Amino acid sequence: AQSVTQLGSHVSVSEGALVLLRCNYSSSVPPYLFWYVQYPNQGLQLLLKYTSAATLVKGINGFEAEFKKSETSFHLTKPSAHMSDAAEYFCAVRQAGSNYKLTFGKGTLLTVNP
Amino acid sequence: GAGVSQSPRYKVAKRGQDVALRCDPISGHVSLFWYQQALGQGPEFLTYFQNEAQLDKSGLPSDRFFAERPEGSVSTLKIQRTQQEDSAVYLCASSVREQGSPLHFGNGTRLTVT
Repeated sequence: AQSVTQLGSHVSVSEGALVLLRCNYSSSVPPYLFWYVQYPNQGLQLLLKYTSAATLVKGINGFEAEFKKSETSFHLTKPSAHMSDAAEYFCAVRQAGSNYKLTFGKGTLLTVNP
Repeated sequence: GAGVSQSPRYKVAKRGQDVALRCDPISGHVSLFWYQQALGQGPEFLTYFQNEAQLDKSGLPSDRFFAERPEGSVSTLKIQRTQQEDSAVYLCASSVREQGSPLHFGNGTRLTVT
């Protein structure tokens, strides 16, 4: 079975500061990993995905994530937060060999203070 | 091109009423998913279609929930005899069949049962 744990339901940073959102996964086989962002009253938008091609993945809006197998982690980072980054962020896992059932974490709400 | 389209965006139902939620996936996407997102939570898997075949309905919470995709494109999620605990955002997503492909989400239908 696969699962995702997002540490911290709410993260608050100042504009210009580093953003770090944590995600740990469990999977019986190497997984596919995703980060999605959700703005209020909208659906989920793909930020980036890991599919085993490279451990450091760059996404949209300046975000990136690093897959660390030894730590079973896939943390999301951005060097400098912008006010427009305020949203809910979800980490998700899709087990290799399975073409369905994306499993989401509970989400982390990012607040950016001026 | 057009993304995943869901209708209605908002639905208010009295307890005991039946509702039908519609999803138009991205053209050519073989896979279609329904997720339920309760307030402050991550999306929870409900059911999965590959073309017109419903391959997994393990996430449907009760036999009051029914989904169909008769022609392999548009899908409808039906909830019979709605209960207050059914209040949530229902998200539809579609994807191509390749392993590791991301899900593309619609903006969801917010169902409120009074």
